[in-house]
Amino acid sequence: DTGVSQNPRHKITKRGQNVTFRCDPISEHNRLYWYRQTLGQGPEFLTYFQNEAQLEKSRLLSDRFSAERPKGSFSTLEIQRTEQGDSAMYLCASSTFGDREGNEQFFGPGTRLTVL
Amino acid sequence: AQTVTQSQPEMSVQEAETVTLSCTYDTSESDYYLFWYKQPPSRQMILVIRQEAYKQQNATENRFSVNFQKAAKSFSLKISDSQLGDAAMYFCAYRAAYNAGNMLTFGGGTRLMVKP
Repeated sequence: DTGVSQNPRHKITKRGQNVTFRCDPISEHNRLYWYRQTLGQGPEFLTYFQNEAQLEKSRLLSDRFSAERPKGSFSTLEIQRTEQGDSAMYLCASSTFGDREGNEQFFGPGTRLTVL
Repeated sequence: AQTVTQSQPEMSVQEAETVTLSCTYDTSESDYYLFWYKQPPSRQMILVIRQEAYKQQNATENRFSVNFQKAAKSFSLKISDSQLGDAAMYFCAYRAAYNAGNMLTFGGGTRLMVKP
């Protein structure tokens, strides 16, 4: 296993278009997270899955955003009707589940979205 | 809500010297984890070190150590014998031990430059 992978690495789109990103977590990890990182800032939590269930969504995740994790494997993050403010790095992370929440999250390389 | 603050946007250190990055946080929880993540340019974020709040002993990982002051809500990272490969963005992060949301809360980051 080579770690968390994300595709595409870069996406340039025009305002109003829809985009979809994919994340493949480490195979034995049942938790998957999405974060957004704007230039010069720390990542901000968007949503997370435990297996195929989406258990938490941040208020940052507007109704234009939707995430799925069919069959508890890879995940997709779709942004509809993109806006310039959506330009950011979208990070995916995965972890195992434990009784306490200190389990390390392993991050992917991110997808950099530029909305023109 | 928890907040994490990194007051040093940029730091510089001479190769082989020691540097300390600062982090403060605010929480009403008593049981939590603190993390330092490293994000090299155009590469994925990796975990540097983790501290459990109920452990009084400061965590160490080779050249990396922390100074955890629970009462002061301070969590600084010391890098000894700095190397050129240490140049990166460093993010301090917080997670409650029993957090239904399971998300990490990140600080704004500190850019570390290492001079040869």
